[in-house]
Amino acid sequence: TQLLEQSPQFLSIQEGENLTVYCNSSSVFSSLQWYRQEPGEGPVLLVTVVTGGEVKKLKRLTFQFGDARKDSSLHITAAQPGDTGLYLCAGPADRGSTLGRLYFGRGTQLTVWP
Amino acid sequence: NAGVTQTPKFQVLKTGQSMTLQCAQDMNHEYMSWYRQDPGMGLRLIHYSVGAGITDQGEVPNGYNVSRSTTEDFPLRLLSAAPSQTSVYFCASSSTWRLTDTQYFGPGTRLTVL
Repeated sequence: TQLLEQSPQFLSIQEGENLTVYCNSSSVFSSLQWYRQEPGEGPVLLVTVVTGGEVKKLKRLTFQFGDARKDSSLHITAAQPGDTGLYLCAGPADRGSTLGRLYFGRGTQLTVWP
Repeated sequence: NAGVTQTPKFQVLKTGQSMTLQCAQDMNHEYMSWYRQDPGMGLRLIHYSVGAGITDQGEVPNGYNVSRSTTEDFPLRLLSAAPSQTSVYFCASSSTWRLTDTQYFGPGTRLTVL
């Protein structure tokens, strides 16, 4: 069972379009992170959200943490080919025997065509 | 400042062979971890360490051993390689065990077990 479900799994769009990808869970998370991974490289952190309802902007990328802290979304405005990559969300296990674990979703593979 | 380094970049093993994947970081980070990435599966945590001398299991620890004798190094040992361990392996580190910190990933080791 995947703790963090990401959708869609694949997204292929034209340059200039807007898009939203989602990260959902049945569990409450104290924080969520979004990473982007390019082929042949390790993931790179984009943002960390820690407060329910929080919205963070990073140029054309807008990240939102759900009020109940069970979900998050990433919205990209006017996508560019340079946005192409695998987008991963990640959240920590906060208590009990799994304290210290960071769980990742399966990712959304985004392709932006010129 | 090299960040997180991993060696080798590529490795081919035969079933039953053993080997060690090396990971080192020069940022004096407390927390280090190993993930494997398979197509469509995102990143799955194998083992992690919150400091020198302290290690714990992640989601998929079977067939792998780790040790953390120094802050800098966190090697991953495959005891008897199996084809199911064919994967891309990533090492990551962060400054503390608090999982709101940025995880810095190495470039990965691509392992094929025949």
